[in-house]
Amino acid sequence: GAGVSQSPSNKVTEKGKDVELRCDPISGHTALYWYRQRLGQGLEFLIYFQGNSAPDKSGLPSDRFSAERTGESVSTLTIQRTQQEDSAVYLCASSLLGYAGNGYTFGSGTRLTVV
Amino acid sequence: EDKVVQSPLSLVVHEGDTVTLNCSYEVTNFRSLLWYKQEKKAPTFLFMLTSSGIEKKSGRLSSILDKKELSSILNITATQTGDSAIYLCAVEGASEKLVFGKGTKLTVNP
Repeated sequence: GAGVSQSPSNKVTEKGKDVELRCDPISGHTALYWYRQRLGQGLEFLIYFQGNSAPDKSGLPSDRFSAERTGESVSTLTIQRTQQEDSAVYLCASSLLGYAGNGYTFGSGTRLTVV
Repeated sequence: EDKVVQSPLSLVVHEGDTVTLNCSYEVTNFRSLLWYKQEKKAPTFLFMLTSSGIEKKSGRLSSILDKKELSSILNITATQTGDSAIYLCAVEGASEKLVFGKGTKLTVNP
């Protein structure tokens, strides 16, 4: 597609439920990143996929968080047993190769609210 | 651990003012520093600065990288209400992922 697409754009869930967030990167972009942005904060790195290499999961805050990517296409971020502290905007970005180059292209994000 | 610190955290000015936003960083094997503008959810790319391109300008916006001081500034001249946004600074080092600062929230009043 023309840009990075994320769905849903908004999600309200009850504490303890699992949620799945989806990201469709720009076609041909081998690198895909997930970031979390809490209210009034900067972007917090979560996970990075690059081609067929093992993902860099160093930013995942707990074992409740996991992400998958099929080849160089769609990625899903799953949060199990959601907590109120998980409320944030989850941003996905993609780039050609693994170098920021002209910068990532970000999706519009998913705003997650855990009640 | 790579780190980016932005200042001020927020700034309120009047239309026509000039503003300077600051970014300092610590990163292993510096590759680039990037500035983004975030109005709603998706940050949009403004500039990328590297060792071979330490100064960039686009219209009323300009940015300079000081590799000696490990810092960068983003200048906006003749500010307009449409410049109101959060401005994010990020650095890329050996890890191939961008590390972001907390951002500067700029409010431009008419």
